[in-house]
Amino acid sequence: AQTVTQSQPEMSVQEAETVTLSCTYDTSESDYYLFWYKQPPSRQMILVIRQEAYKQQNATENRFSVNFQKAAKSFSLKISDSQLGDAAMYFCAYRSPYSGGGADGLTFGKGTHLIIQP
Amino acid sequence: NAGVTQTPKFQVLKTGQSMTLQCAQDMNHEYMSWYRQDPGMGLRLIHYSVGAGITDQGEVPNGYNVSRSTTEDFPLRLLSAAPSQTSVYFCASSYLGGRATGELFFGEGSRLTVL
Repeated sequence: AQTVTQSQPEMSVQEAETVTLSCTYDTSESDYYLFWYKQPPSRQMILVIRQEAYKQQNATENRFSVNFQKAAKSFSLKISDSQLGDAAMYFCAYRSPYSGGGADGLTFGKGTHLIIQP
Repeated sequence: NAGVTQTPKFQVLKTGQSMTLQCAQDMNHEYMSWYRQDPGMGLRLIHYSVGAGITDQGEVPNGYNVSRSTTEDFPLRLLSAAPSQTSVYFCASSYLGGRATGELFFGEGSRLTVL
């Protein structure tokens, strides 16, 4: 079974600064999906960014980018120009495209609570 | 386009009571699932379905039942609620096969308290 580890229970950053959230995972598969989801106090799960393992290029969505190191099984999220609205829990997640077509669903890390200091 | 709709948003139960959390999606997704979220634990898979009439257990299935009679609906039943089932529950769905992007689409969550 796959595991996802987020080693930072909480991170704090000054508004407008850059912060990097860490994620490592364990798998024996060569192809898979990786995600970062954001959960603000409203509780809604919001997709931030998605990476397909066969793509070497790191995914980017506006101020959010990832550093995907497949050999090291590392998938960190960088948030540039942090804004107050970025304050939330961030979850790293893994999904296999196999096992019944992704029937295992998402395997989540335990989350990182991001605090934005004004 | 409503996406994934969960009801109720909040519920308080007494130990031993039964209830059903409703989940409906209007995106014609083959895959539907239920997760529970507990502090410090992330989200854990309870049950899932890959199509109407097909369900299977996830990581933490004990105490929960599911059924999938239509593509759109995937209710989660607690037959005899226990305090250990106090949690936030999320329904999530996705495409499978050729249209799959891996992404799960989540409902807004249901907070359940069992006294």
